[in-house]
Amino acid sequence: DQQVKQNSPSLSVQEGRISILNCDYTNSMFDYFLWYKKYPAEGPTFLISISSIKDKNEDGRFTVFLNKSAKHLSLHIVPSQPGDSAVYFCAASYTGANSKLTFGKGITLSVRP
Amino acid sequence: EAQVTQNPRYLITVTGKKLTVTCSQNMNHEYMSWYRQDPGLGLRQIYYSMNVEVTDKGDVPEGYKVSRKEKRNFPLILESPSPNQTSLYFCASSLSWGWAGYTFGSGTRLTVV
Repeated sequence: DQQVKQNSPSLSVQEGRISILNCDYTNSMFDYFLWYKKYPAEGPTFLISISSIKDKNEDGRFTVFLNKSAKHLSLHIVPSQPGDSAVYFCAASYTGANSKLTFGKGITLSVRP
Repeated sequence: EAQVTQNPRYLITVTGKKLTVTCSQNMNHEYMSWYRQDPGLGLRQIYYSMNVEVTDKGDVPEGYKVSRKEKRNFPLILESPSPNQTSLYFCASSLSWGWAGYTFGSGTRLTVV
């Protein structure tokens, strides 16, 4: 049973446009969500997170939105740059989970120059 | 530089030949974990450790062992590797078991023939 779902395997956008990466979850206990970015031949790196007490968190070009009622979060990248081309993983955790992160399958973002 | 170091980066081995993938972190993190990444399956947790001498199974522990004798090291042991353990492995650590983002190693590409 996949608790964190990234249903679109890939996304291609033009440089300068907005990239919207979606993530859905099924476990209502999740109260913290993160996005990781992964380049080939490297480990994932932390990008941005959001707690369930918020519905938005912004860091530069990256904004994460959380809709708890829909169990849905999204990562917006504005403007998109070619260097943003990578695999993006959505992850979730909850208080008492002993730091365990449950990851989605990832989405490959390609930003065209 | 704060980092998680895995070795080796690449390994090809034969079925049944015991191997160990090492993982070391220099951030004094309490929590460490092993993940494997497979196409279409994302990142799945193998084992985790909340502190020295405290380890527990993740979602896919079969065929793996771990130990945590020192805070900085968390080796992954495959006693009798099989081809279905061919995968990309990541070690990760975080500051505490409460809940925090992970720092990942660069990965170990394992092929079992």
